[in-house]
Amino acid sequence: KQEVTQIPAALSVPEGENLVLNCSFTDSAIYNLQWFRQDPGKGLTSLLLIQSSQREQTSGRLNASLDKSSGRSTLYIAASQPGDSATYLCAVSVGNQFYFGTGTSLTVIP
Amino acid sequence: ETGVTQTPRHLVMGMTNKKSLKCEQHLGHNAMYWYKQSAKKPLELMFVYNFKEQTENNSVPSRFSPECPNSSHLFLHLHTLQPEDSALYLCASSQDPGSGGVEQYFGPGTRLTVT
Repeated sequence: KQEVTQIPAALSVPEGENLVLNCSFTDSAIYNLQWFRQDPGKGLTSLLLIQSSQREQTSGRLNASLDKSSGRSTLYIAASQPGDSATYLCAVSVGNQFYFGTGTSLTVIP
Repeated sequence: ETGVTQTPRHLVMGMTNKKSLKCEQHLGHNAMYWYKQSAKKPLELMFVYNFKEQTENNSVPSRFSPECPNSSHLFLHLHTLQPEDSALYLCASSQDPGSGGVEQYFGPGTRLTVT
């Protein structure tokens, strides 16, 4: 069974810093990998989707990479802002199944 | 409304009650999903519907009963729940997942408390 791990579980950084969140998965036979943001008590907001044939995707200050062979993805956030404070989740899909990590809780200190 | 909506946003029910959660998507998608999110645990996929047909049931107890009358609406009927069923229930939608990697869009969730 696919297992998804996110490290670190929590991260606190001062405003303006660049940071990297990590996601690893045990089975490389995935269709895609998706990064989400979740604010407390709210639903998930899609940030970036990387298809299995792609290596990276970018949106504004966010850049996500995918190394399927090693089972890893990173989410790079440039010039962090207090509004970036949230929990970041990654998920991989295989057919009709979707597997999520437990997330990284990010706090950006003004 | 746009995107994926869920009602109610909050629900408190006793163990002997019967209630239903509703999800509606306005994105023209063909697939809809129910997830359970408990504290400190990964999201758990409960059910998948594709073109109104249930394609996945991940060993969910029968006290949870899904219904998908059309591609835009999804219900989760609840009866005789247990306190450990208290969680955030999230609905999502996407294009047909069988066509390859698809992007999921989530609703705001229903916070369920079972007393």
